[in-house]
Amino acid sequence: DTGVSQDPRHKITKRGQNVTFRCDPISEHNRLYWYRQTLGQGPEFLTYFQNEAQLEKSRLLSDRFSAERPKGSFSTLEIQRTEQGDSAMYLCASSSSLTHGGTGNTIYFGEGSWLTVV
Amino acid sequence: QKEVEQDPGPLSVPEGAIVSLNCTYSNSAFQYFMWYRQYSRKGPELLMYTYSSGNKEDGRFTAQVDKSSKYISLFIRDSQPSDSATYLCAEGLGTGRRALTFGSGTRLQVQP
Repeated sequence: DTGVSQDPRHKITKRGQNVTFRCDPISEHNRLYWYRQTLGQGPEFLTYFQNEAQLEKSRLLSDRFSAERPKGSFSTLEIQRTEQGDSAMYLCASSSSLTHGGTGNTIYFGEGSWLTVV
Repeated sequence: QKEVEQDPGPLSVPEGAIVSLNCTYSNSAFQYFMWYRQYSRKGPELLMYTYSSGNKEDGRFTAQVDKSSKYISLFIRDSQPSDSATYLCAEGLGTGRRALTFGSGTRLQVQP
C-alpha cells in the first residue's frame, strides 16, 4: 500500500493552456474522488468515480474540466483553456466500498497537485 | 450560511496543553464525521472517523459528536509542536452522495 499518488506535484502554466493531472489511488480502492483546495479554504468536491463510472459531479466542474477513469484504476483530470482562477491545489482521494460495513466512508488523500496559472 | 463552520484561528497554545477544536454544521442529514490534519502544502491526513454521537478516542486524540446540537469537537491531549497544522472537519451523508463537505480548517500552533 503506497498511498494515493499524484503527478505532477507542481505545474505552472500560462493562461489558456491545457493541463492534465494524474492520480493513482490506493490499490484495490474502487472509489476515487477529485477535490480542489485554495488557500485558507477546505477542500471542495469536484467529482467522484466508483470503478470506471463517474457517478457524481459538482457544479464547480465547469465544461472546461473533464475527468476520466478509463479502467477503474488511475484517473486523469484535465483543465482546458486554463484561467487564473483555476490556480489551486487539486487533490485526489480514494476509498473502498468494502470498508466500514460497506459504507466506504474513510477517504484517503494524496499529496495534491499544485497548479499556478500565470 | 456554509454547511460546515469552523473557526479559522490561528489557535496558539503552549506545548503540553489540551487543545479543543470545534465545528458546527447545519445539515441534519450528515451521518458520519471525520477530522483531518493538514500540514502546509501537503494533502489532508485522516485522523479520526466517527459514525454516531458520543466520544471516540485514539491515543492523544478524542473526537466528540453531538448530533442534537450539530456540533463536533476534536481534543488533543499533551499537545506537541509536531501537532502544529491545520485541522479540517468533514461531514458525509453516508448514502447516495459520496462527497465530503469540509470546514475551512483551524490553524493550530503549539509553542515549544
